[in-house]
This record gives sequence, C-alpha cells and structure tokens, in this order.
Amino acid sequence: AQSVTQLDSQVPVFEEAPVELRCNYSSSVSVYLFWYVQYPNQGLQLLLKYLSGSTLVKGINGFEAEFNKSQTSFHLRKPSVHISDTAEYFCAVSEVSWGKFQFGAGTQVVVTP
Amino acid sequence: EAEVAQSPRYKITEKSQAVAFWCDPISGHATLYWYRQILGQGPELLVQFQDESVVDDSQLPKDRFSAERLKGVDSTLKIQPAELGDSAMYLCASSPPVSQETQYFGPGTRLLVL
Repeated sequence: AQSVTQLDSQVPVFEEAPVELRCNYSSSVSVYLFWYVQYPNQGLQLLLKYLSGSTLVKGINGFEAEFNKSQTSFHLRKPSVHISDTAEYFCAVSEVSWGKFQFGAGTQVVVTP
Repeated sequence: EAEVAQSPRYKITEKSQAVAFWCDPISGHATLYWYRQILGQGPELLVQFQDESVVDDSQLPKDRFSAERLKGVDSTLKIQPAELGDSAMYLCASSPPVSQETQYFGPGTRLLVL
C-alpha cells in the first residue's frame, strides 16, 4: 500500500516570493503523482501530474513539480506567488497497476501582501 | 469545459435524519468516485464505480451509507441515519476511459449534522 506525507501543514509566504511545498511518498511499486489545489468550499482542481518521462512537470498557474525517485519526493514550486494562490494544496499518489488515490493531509498556503 | 456537477452544495440536517447527495460526472467518464473530506484532512475514498458496478467500497460504512449508479451515469450517495461525525465535505470525481489515472472533481457537498 502507498502513503503520502506532506511535510508542512501551513506555509505562510509573502506576495511575489517563491514557495515550495514538500511531498514524500512511499510505495513498493511504480506510481503516478499529482498535485491538486482546493479553494475554500470548493472541489479539488488538478494542478499537474507526473505519469512518466521528464521528471520536471509544469502545470497551470505557473506551478511546477519535480519527481525524485531516489528520494521518493514530488515537491511543488512556484517562483512568485500571488494573493490568489492562497488555498490548500494536496499531493496524491496512485499505484500504476491499481489506480486508487491516496491523498496527503494537505498544506495550507497563506499569501500576504 | 465540462465539469462534474454535484448537488446540493450545502446541506444541514439533524442527526438520525436521512440525507442524499447527487453527482453527475463528465460525459463519457465511466469511472466515478465518492470521497469524504473531513475538515483539515485530505479526501478519503468511500466508493468507486466502473459504469454501474461497484469496484471498491471497502471504506464505505455500509451500516448507514449506500451508493448507487443505476444507469452508469449519475450517482447518488445516501446516509441513513446521519450522525454528528458525518459532518464533512463529500466530493465526487470522475475519470475518462483514455486516462483513468486522472480524476476530475466536482465542487462538493458540505454536510453539517446537528
């Protein structure tokens, strides 16, 4: 069975500063990796996903993530955040053969002027 | 852009009452999921459908929860009777046949049990 750990429950950041959200996973088989964003009282929106190929994945809204197999990590980054990036971010993993999602506990990003 | 539809968006009920949530997946998406998201946590899978068949309901509290997708399109999740601990966001998601690894989520139903 796979598991996901988001290392920070909350990340405060100033507007226009960079941000990195950390995600580590464990699995004995090959996995797909995802980052979703959730705004208050809304569903989850897919930011980006890693299925195979290049380990650097670019997503929507200027976000990117890098898959590191040796460190079993999939950290999310944005070079310059906006106030509108204030939201909760979820890392998720699914085993290639099974497809069942396992979500992390989430990281709350709070962007201040 | 096609979206997953859910209703109602908000529901307040008293414990021991019955509640039902509805989900209409993106057209053509054969796989449908129901998740429960407790405040401050990530979503947890309750049930997964492939067309009208249940693929995984191992985490569904079957003494009070039921889910159906009779015609393989829209789906209903029911709780009877509701308990205080059922207060949560209930999310529906669907996946297309050609890329089943990716799930697309609806806006959710926020349930408050008093």
